[in-house]
Amino acid sequence: QSALTQPASVSGSPGQSITISCTGTSSDVGAYNYVSWYQQHPGKAPKLMIYDVSNRPSGVSNRFSGSKSGNTASLTISGLQAEDEGDYYCSSYSSSSTLPYVFGTGTKVTVL
Amino acid sequence: QITLKESGPTLVKPTQTLTLTCTFSGFSLSTSGVAVGWIRQPPGKALEWLALIYGDDNKRYRPSLKSRLTITKDTSKNQVVLTMTNVDPADTATYYCVHRQFYNWNEWGQGTLVTVSS
Repeated sequence: QSALTQPASVSGSPGQSITISCTGTSSDVGAYNYVSWYQQHPGKAPKLMIYDVSNRPSGVSNRFSGSKSGNTASLTISGLQAEDEGDYYCSSYSSSSTLPYVFGTGTKVTVL
Repeated sequence: QITLKESGPTLVKPTQTLTLTCTFSGFSLSTSGVAVGWIRQPPGKALEWLALIYGDDNKRYRPSLKSRLTITKDTSKNQVVLTMTNVDPADTATYYCVHRQFYNWNEWGQGTLVTVSS
């Protein structure tokens, strides 16, 4: 039962763009366009930022965008702002009967 | 507006049974593709899916915890209950109740921190 792999940390200066990767397998990320991304500020519940690989829920800034290539999904934050600092998690549906709903290891985003 | 709120004990002793209740509003579990799940997060660690229940009472559990978990629903009260038996200090975590539609964890409760300690 493996989690999706994310870099532990990513940082950038205000105004820059950063990209967070989320690597899975051909049973999850590579098999379905059901990758979602969540933002979590300290002490708060996660918030859905991207669903179905590249769709933004209503109210989420268009500075957030998602994509996928093979077994790796990516979240890009453009025009980085101080309020973007926090933890980010990816999630995917999986065909694995052992773990159908899997999360990533999490990435801490720091705005320098 | 969809809201979910978790309730239950903040401190549980090892080997005891933990019961958490999720009270929700703004949606119906009877709607196609809608489910309520439980996700936990140990302090400083990543999110971990635990269990899920649909309106037709279809249930799914994290395999490694399946023998210890039970998820049920009370549609008339708009509540979902998670029971975890034989808790251990490793079960110390913030437990979230989450609305799921299709393939996304759309709305989250505020979470409740449960500490397992003697």
